[in-house]
Amino acid sequence: EAGVAQSPRYKIIEKRQSVAFWCNPISGHATLYWYQQILGQGPKLLIQFQNNGVVDDSQLPKDRFSAERLKGVDSTLKIQPAKLEDSAVYLCASSLVSGDQPQHFGDGTRLSIL
Amino acid sequence: QKEVEQNSGPLSVPEGAIASLNCTYSDRGSQSFFWYRQYSGKSPELIMSIYSNGDKEDGRFTAQLNKASQYVSLLIRDSQPSDSATYLCAVTYGNKLVFGAGTILRVKS
Repeated sequence: EAGVAQSPRYKIIEKRQSVAFWCNPISGHATLYWYQQILGQGPKLLIQFQNNGVVDDSQLPKDRFSAERLKGVDSTLKIQPAKLEDSAVYLCASSLVSGDQPQHFGDGTRLSIL
Repeated sequence: QKEVEQNSGPLSVPEGAIASLNCTYSDRGSQSFFWYRQYSGKSPELIMSIYSNGDKEDGRFTAQLNKASQYVSLLIRDSQPSDSATYLCAVTYGNKLVFGAGTILRVKS
């Protein structure tokens, strides 16, 4: 079974620029999550999709972050404009359904803001 | 605020010893509990899930859950240097999974 695919693996941009990350979940997984992990901290949920609908985006900084999951499969997370504090690893995860089911993570995208 | 607390460590144990990692959580209504292992520069990897009070064993790993005390632990028997990593405790609050900051484990040969 193929795992969660993410790209790119690394990205370096200057502050105020924009960046986008892509995620393809495990086949058949209805729920997709985007997390931000800052060095030394646990992953923090940014947004959760169930199929192509948003379940929770309460911690997504909506003035600069946006995400979509068209057709209920792939998802894209965008930051525009980036700030220095956005330097982190952005992790995508998926699960069969939300709640009790274990989440499986992709390799993540390491974002550095100069 | 839903919280998951872990001792940041590092926890150092000699090779072959039992490593004991602990986690407390704030919401009595939580139903699902997970332990993830994260190697430096890598993404979290699920190693154990537990849903009911008591112990659950999988190879060298045992997860223990005590809902009355809001406490979950992970025991690693016969610790190996390859077990050196950060261990993340995660707890569901409704449909959301909340992670602790993780405990760094170092197994010395």
